[in-house]
Amino acid sequence: ETGVTQTPRHLVMGMTNKKSLKCEQHLGHNAMYWYKQSAKKPLELMFVYSLEERVENNSVPSRFSPECPNSSHLFLHLHTLQPEDSALYLCASSQDYSGWDEQFFGPGTRLTVL
Amino acid sequence: GENVEQHPSTLSVQEGDSAVIKCTYSDSASNYFPWYKQELGKGPQLIIDIRSNVGEKKDQRIAVTLNKTAKHFSLHITETQPEDSAVYFCAASMETGNQFYFGTGTSLTVIP
Repeated sequence: ETGVTQTPRHLVMGMTNKKSLKCEQHLGHNAMYWYKQSAKKPLELMFVYSLEERVENNSVPSRFSPECPNSSHLFLHLHTLQPEDSALYLCASSQDYSGWDEQFFGPGTRLTVL
Repeated sequence: GENVEQHPSTLSVQEGDSAVIKCTYSDSASNYFPWYKQELGKGPQLIIDIRSNVGEKKDQRIAVTLNKTAKHFSLHITETQPEDSAVYFCAASMETGNQFYFGTGTSLTVIP
């Protein structure tokens, strides 16, 4: 266990559905991340929160909406997704938003968009 | 931005043999290079890292080497075991800011 949990582990949704992914870290970290992992591609950074403020938003479509209500929780709200959004979504945390801090990853949510 | 290339994409070795995975990066400002291991059904986990002021680092059967001039770094696993089977990712980042630029991953299979 890395101290980062994600729910649900698997999610199947239609293109018109609205769903949310949840991430919780039990490490007392100050930075949290959302990544998209697709086959044969590098991990794609989507959003970064540091001390509950969004500090990175890497040109992600507006159908993905992050929320960080406190330093331990991170959500990714999904609506009107496309089939190409099917992927493994990973949450990570690090002590601070620093280039040398180890990132601790959760197990991911496997998302399938029909 | 930074571009990290990783080779090979798949690697099969016999148990007890060595495995080497290579990465190159494009931005000379990158100065931190972690390696992550991702087992089936799990998220990536840091196994070793190296900073640009060091040329080599070793931790038991795992070692990483860095050549700043050539902008490449490598992961070496000796005496491989079946539990080493996983996907390995290299990454590069800079101390300022924490965006890790990941490679595309290497799927390592250790054949008993």
